[in-house]
Amino acid sequence: GIQVEQSPPDLILQEGANSTLRCNFSDSVNNLQWFHQNPWGQLINLFYIPSGTKQNGRLSATTVATERYSLLYISSSQTTDSGVYFCAVEFTGNTGKLIFGQGTTLQVKP
Amino acid sequence: SAVISQKPSRDICQRGTSLTIQCQVDSQVTMMFWYRQQPGQSLTLIATANQGSEATYESGFVIDKFPISRPNLTFSTLTVSNMSPEDSSIYLCSGGQGVYEQYFGPGTRLTVT
Repeated sequence: GIQVEQSPPDLILQEGANSTLRCNFSDSVNNLQWFHQNPWGQLINLFYIPSGTKQNGRLSATTVATERYSLLYISSSQTTDSGVYFCAVEFTGNTGKLIFGQGTTLQVKP
Repeated sequence: SAVISQKPSRDICQRGTSLTIQCQVDSQVTMMFWYRQQPGQSLTLIATANQGSEATYESGFVIDKFPISRPNLTFSTLTVSNMSPEDSSIYLCSGGQGVYEQYFGPGTRLTVT
């Protein structure tokens, strides 16, 4: 069936460290987005990236659609990066419907 | 981009009652959706809110439990009916233009006692 898998499920970093979060998906996609959920539950859009590479400050993302995975890079992590990171995918033929992975819970320690 | 607001932001409700959550988008969007996030879990799609017609529900969700309205391109409501403690969750609405980027509201945190 349709699947979105994220790894690792949990990650603990020291402030200043770098990390890579991975999202694997089971079929071709129209849309792939990365979100950060803050402690208050708000989903913050990080990247809309169905293919290619994008960068925004200390964050960057790469999606290789042909190999069905996406990576989110966080460099020089800060305590404010803590929270849950979700990958969400709209599979081809399911217009607009986002299927979420289980998330990666990141804790950045000072 | 789209800015989405939800009301209420949180509520505590008694078992057996109903709560209606409102979602307002600051611009017209083609698609609007409702999601549920149970404690410690990921987001699950409840339904697609269709303008002027009945919502399209995902497997495991039914109209009698989660009636949805969408009278225009910027507004939708979700009602959680006959609530039980298992309905305690964050309910989020989202909006977007078809296959393009989707934006989410801040969520409604519901506790059922």
